[in-house]
Amino acid sequence: DIVLTQSPVLAVSLGQRATISCRASQSVSISSINLMHWYQQKPGQQPKLLIYRASNLASGIPARFSGSGSGTDFTLTIDPVQADDIAAYYCQQSRESPFTFGSGTKLEIK
Amino acid sequence: EIQLQESGPGLVKPSQSLSLTCSVTGYTITSGYDWSWIRKFPGNKMEWMGYISYSGSTNYNPSLKSRISITRDTSKNQFFLQLNSVTTEDTATYYCARPHQGVMDAWGQGASVTVSS
Repeated sequence: DIVLTQSPVLAVSLGQRATISCRASQSVSISSINLMHWYQQKPGQQPKLLIYRASNLASGIPARFSGSGSGTDFTLTIDPVQADDIAAYYCQQSRESPFTFGSGTKLEIK
Repeated sequence: EIQLQESGPGLVKPSQSLSLTCSVTGYTITSGYDWSWIRKFPGNKMEWMGYISYSGSTNYNPSLKSRISITRDTSKNQFFLQLNSVTTEDTATYYCARPHQGVMDAWGQGASVTVSS
């Protein structure tokens, strides 16, 4: 299985940039298609798709969310961070079955 | 707009079977896509369990292959999860979701299941 590694916690100040990383144990890219996706989950809610295929903003997601990366290293950026962004963020790969998720990064406010 | 809703018992005894239903509205499950089950454990680890495709084929996580079954009732636009021989380690929140080319673009609200005697 492809293992996805995320830092457990990230603390940032409101209005600043948050950079959340996800590292895969092997490449999740096929040619130029990066099969890494990002989700936000707030307490008591279901996960919500933010970014698909590394850099594509899902419908209805604010433009302060962005994604980048290829191969094994991927980044979710939130700029500027707002109070409503306090949540856990998960990466997920669809390069191969079984699909796997990162362990999540909890975004906290400094 | 598509909506998914999980239902089923919130408490299951060890060694018994866990059974959950996902009811889908706003889209016919035989029209396209795969239909997945995903669970989130206490401590936040998430595990993709498997899916049933719009045609009825299935794909399971090998870690569960001997215990899991995903089926459907097309007349009710529902799909089901059955997990056999559960232990306390199967305590989790279970989500149904729609993967589109591997991207989970719609999720149910989740069903909390506790395995305890």
